[in-house]
Amino acid sequence: DSGVTQTPKHLITATGQRVTLRCSPRSGDLSVYWYQQSLDQGLQFLIQYYNGEERAKGNILERFSAQQFPDLHSELNLSSLELGDSALYFCASSPREAGGLGYEQYFGPGTRLTVT
Amino acid sequence: AQSVTQLGSHVSVSEGALVLLRCNYSSSVPPYLFWYVQYPNQGLQLLLKYTTGATLVKGINGFEAEFKKSETSFHLTKPSAHMSDAAEYFCAVSDRDSGTYKYIFGTGTRLKVLA
Repeated sequence: DSGVTQTPKHLITATGQRVTLRCSPRSGDLSVYWYQQSLDQGLQFLIQYYNGEERAKGNILERFSAQQFPDLHSELNLSSLELGDSALYFCASSPREAGGLGYEQYFGPGTRLTVT
Repeated sequence: AQSVTQLGSHVSVSEGALVLLRCNYSSSVPPYLFWYVQYPNQGLQLLLKYTTGATLVKGINGFEAEFKKSETSFHLTKPSAHMSDAAEYFCAVSDRDSGTYKYIFGTGTRLKVLA
């Protein structure tokens, strides 16, 4: 158990809909990262937050947005969903900015999103 | 910017055989290097990491990796494969871009262990 929790575990929704994925980082971790994992694209970095502020963006679509709240939990909002958005969405956390000073990321179990 | 190359998207080994998963990075500056493992239907978990110091790094479950600066490599090895090692393995490198540390993951290598 990494200490990172994600809800829900599974989500099935229709095209055009909007969903919110939630992540609670490990206690004390300030950074949260969101990743998308699909069979054809592999593991793709979406976005990073550090202590409530956006720090880095990866391959995140304009239809997707995220935020980190004062209690450090984070939400990833996916809107106007398409079939191709079906994937595993992972959240990870680290004490500070992962990579700096050799900090590793701790991954949650993921949310499996199926768009029908 | 850094890049990470994992040679071989699929590797098969027999139970008891040597496991060798290859990872090369692009930077001329020694980065921080990581190996993660993902078991089916789970998130990634850290196997081992190299920051500074000893170039041979030991991790969990009998895995180790050697940082070779001259070859810009960080290959993962295990002397004897076990059925439970079947999983996907990701190499990652940290990079600093515009003042922010970022992770760059390789595309992953799926390890199959044959009985």
